[in-house]
Amino acid sequence: EVRLVESGGDLAQPGRSLRLSCAASGFTFDDYAMHWVRQIPGKGLEWVSSISWNSDSIGYADSVKGRFTISRDNAKNSVYLQMNSLRAEDTAFYYCAKNLQKQVLYAAFDCWGQGTLVTVSS
Amino acid sequence: EIVLTQSPATLSLSPGKRATLSCRASQSISSSQLGWYQQKPGQAPRLLIYDASSRATGVPDRFSGSGSGTDFTLTINRLEPEDFAVYYCQQYRRSPHTFGGGTKVEIK
Repeated sequence: EVRLVESGGDLAQPGRSLRLSCAASGFTFDDYAMHWVRQIPGKGLEWVSSISWNSDSIGYADSVKGRFTISRDNAKNSVYLQMNSLRAEDTAFYYCAKNLQKQVLYAAFDCWGQGTLVTVSS
Repeated sequence: EIVLTQSPATLSLSPGKRATLSCRASQSISSSQLGWYQQKPGQAPRLLIYDASSRATGVPDRFSGSGSGTDFTLTINRLEPEDFAVYYCQQYRRSPHTFGGGTKVEIK
């Protein structure tokens, strides 16, 4: 069974940093691109970042570019989101998601974690 | 950036009826790289349809997707009680992988 478990969400002050982790199991992790998507409670979905299976291709939403860094450790079956210079508008549930297709970056997201809540407030 | 506009924002229907949800793109999505997701309260999104018309694993056949270019449709035949939820379209033709604003299907 494919499983994604996010962790690291917390309350942080504006300007501070948080690191989110997503532990994957049930599939060959290093064959698939991974993604982060966020959702303000009660609002819609916003794509945040993607990383290819071999970390060669990475993309960010303009809203987080220069502040967030995505990475992965294929030996640990994990993907990370380092969030620096946090702002109030970064408050959201953060989901990690798995790519549907192997070894492509652009595909649907076929499995999602349960999400972790990041709250940015003083 | 490809902007996706979903309509209507809310669809009020009775169980057993057909739901037709629209997703319009600001520019052509070649190769039909568009997906549909269902999200229920307190849950993560679930992939229903990928590549505009292919059902994801385990998705009932009352869900179908169609369309190409800039106009895409999700159809839910014979609404079941568990189908009342919010539905999002997403394009993955190019970065950023934008989502539509969502359509809420509610019980009439």
